[in-house]
Amino acid sequence: SQQGEEDPQALSIQEGENATMNCSYKTSINNLQWYRQNSGRGLVHLILIRSNEREKHSGRLRVTLDTSKKSSSLLITASRAADTASYFCATVGGSNYKLTFGKGTLLTVNP
Amino acid sequence: DGGITQSPKYLFRKEGQNVTLSCEQNLNHDAMYWYRQDPGQGLRLIYYSQIVNDFQKGDIAEGYSVSREKKESFPLTVTSAQKNPTAFYLCASSRLAGESYEQYFGPGTRLTVT
Repeated sequence: SQQGEEDPQALSIQEGENATMNCSYKTSINNLQWYRQNSGRGLVHLILIRSNEREKHSGRLRVTLDTSKKSSSLLITASRAADTASYFCATVGGSNYKLTFGKGTLLTVNP
Repeated sequence: DGGITQSPKYLFRKEGQNVTLSCEQNLNHDAMYWYRQDPGQGLRLIYYSQIVNDFQKGDIAEGYSVSREKKESFPLTVTSAQKNPTAFYLCASSRLAGESYEQYFGPGTRLTVT
C-alpha cells in the first residue's frame, strides 16, 4: 500500500524559479525521505528528516515536516534544467525498516 | 566503486516463460529489496530480505519468487503466474543499523513480456 501522496502530480517551471512539492501521509512515522528519479533510471536519496525535526536544508533543497498535519514539503530553490526529474517521498514508520513510497511529482524545469 | 548492479538493463520474454533478474551489491548492506514501477506510478514492494536465507513478501509478491543465498545477491524470478509482468524493476539495499534506512537503488531492469 502507498502511504505518501505527492502533490502536484506534475509541475512545470522556468529555470531560476523555485519548485515546491508536497507529500501527505497517513500513519505515524520515524522519518520521511525524499528521492529523485531521472527518467528510466534508479532512485537517488536526496534528504531525510526525522519525526522530531521540523526543517532541514541541504544545498538548494529545503524540507519541512509537520507531523500534526502528516505532511512534508520539498523546496528546490533556483531550479536548473538538470533538476528535471520525478521526486518521491517515502516514509519509515514504527519498528519497520521498510520504505513506503508515494506516486511522485514530475518536475519539468524549462531552460 | 561501491554500488548496486542490475542486469540486464532491458529484457524481453515470451508469455509463459519464467525470467530471472539479477541484483548484486557490494555495499555490505544487510537488507535488500525488489520494487516494481509502472508508468507514472510510484514504487510497489515485491519482496525484501534482511538476512541471508530469509525473505518476506511485500505488497505484490504474487507471481514472483526470490532467493538470498549470499549477502551480496538477491535475484528475482518473474514466473509465468504473474499476470502483468511488463514493468520497470528496481532493486535496492540498505543498512539496518541506525534508524535512517536510506535505500540505495540499482539502475533498474525494464522487462517486456509479449
